[in-house]
Amino acid sequence: DAGVTQSPTHLIKTRGQQVTLRCSPKSGHDTVSWYQQALGQGPQFIFQYYEEEERQRGNFPDRFSGHQFPNYSSELNVNALLLGDSALYLCASSLQMTNTGELFFGEGSRLTVL
Amino acid sequence: DAKTTQPPSMDCAEGRAANLPCNHSTISGNEYVYWYRQIHSQGPQYIIHGLKNNETNEMASLIITEDRKSSTLILPHATLRDTAVYYCIVRAMGTSGSRLTFGEGTQLTVNP
Repeated sequence: DAGVTQSPTHLIKTRGQQVTLRCSPKSGHDTVSWYQQALGQGPQFIFQYYEEEERQRGNFPDRFSGHQFPNYSSELNVNALLLGDSALYLCASSLQMTNTGELFFGEGSRLTVL
Repeated sequence: DAKTTQPPSMDCAEGRAANLPCNHSTISGNEYVYWYRQIHSQGPQYIIHGLKNNETNEMASLIITEDRKSSTLILPHATLRDTAVYYCIVRAMGTSGSRLTFGEGTQLTVNP
């Protein structure tokens, strides 16, 4: 049973570019959330997707957007990249109906903005 | 969600119990205490959660004080693989969705 998978694992972009990160949730899960983790800090909640809609959003600008597909996989898009967007981006999946707060995280995509 | 306070770092000898404290003095009645850990270069991993009763699973035990203002995560027999950052999180069940508010956590180092 595959857990949460994310791609790519590492990528380098330059300021002003756009990036798309991908996530496949754990089998049987229908909810995907995204977190940003700067070096030395705890993860920060970006947003949550359920039934292909954004359900909750953290304190992130509109440059951060997402999408969820019918198969529950998800994408995180970041436009007009800034140096400060360099971070580990984590995807987490869960089952909406249980809502226990037990999230399963992937190993992340490490984005470096030069 | 209530704010939590944890020591930035702790050390533990291999084979001994690791006791990780967390203060959450502003916790509300409907908020649960969660613990996650993050091993270097991996995503966070759920450990345990509880409301007011002590909880135990195959990974750890969670002790919550009677006034619920603090808690302790106990790893009964720490191994080198338990070296990680441990996050104490307070979350309201039912309203927070998959929003978890992580602090900076406690870096636990298990020494041989």
